[in-house]
Amino acid sequence: GESVGLHLPTLSVQEGDNSIINCAYSNSASDYFIWYKQESGKGPQFIIDIRSNMDKRQGQRVTVLLNKTVKHLSLQIAATQPGDSAVYFCAEIKTYKYIFGTGTRLKVLA
Amino acid sequence: DVKVTQSSRYLVKRTGEKVFLECVQDMDHENMFWYRQDPGLGLRLIYFSYDVKMKEKGDIPEGYSVSREKKERFSLILESASTNQTSMYLCASSRTQETQYFGPGTRLLVL
Repeated sequence: GESVGLHLPTLSVQEGDNSIINCAYSNSASDYFIWYKQESGKGPQFIIDIRSNMDKRQGQRVTVLLNKTVKHLSLQIAATQPGDSAVYFCAEIKTYKYIFGTGTRLKVLA
Repeated sequence: DVKVTQSSRYLVKRTGEKVFLECVQDMDHENMFWYRQDPGLGLRLIYFSYDVKMKEKGDIPEGYSVSREKKERFSLILESASTNQTSMYLCASSRTQETQYFGPGTRLLVL
């Protein structure tokens, strides 16, 4: 069936290091993928998105990579900062249907 | 910037009360959504709307209703609140098949 999942429920990273958060999806027909950041007690915040015809997209300190061959999506955060501590989850859009992953918690260690 | 606002950040209601959660977006988005978010369950879609006065059931519509009288406003109604409706409620809006933008959430406690 359809699923958007994350390999690791919790990721601990040293401040200043790069973080990589992964997401596997099973629906090869999805058109569009999105990464969100959710801080405790707040609504999800849009980080970056990528269309299915792209392999890579860069933003400010973030990069999203899409590997359609293995149905894998990743979010890379450069020089991780304490303010990056949050739950990150991916989402995919396929024909008007949005499918959200359950999330990975990123902990930034001082 | 897209702005989605929700009428309350925190609400405490009693079992059996009628509860109204309001959501407003300022980007002229066609689509609006209501989700609830519970620990370990992620986001679950309650209702969504693709146009004014239009509504569609999501995955867990039981116990809820919605109203979209104006494009910018989407209301979630709990006809008779129950303790199992204690949750974080999130509203979102989007253009068709594009990124959803979320509001800050309403944390509802039903006693």
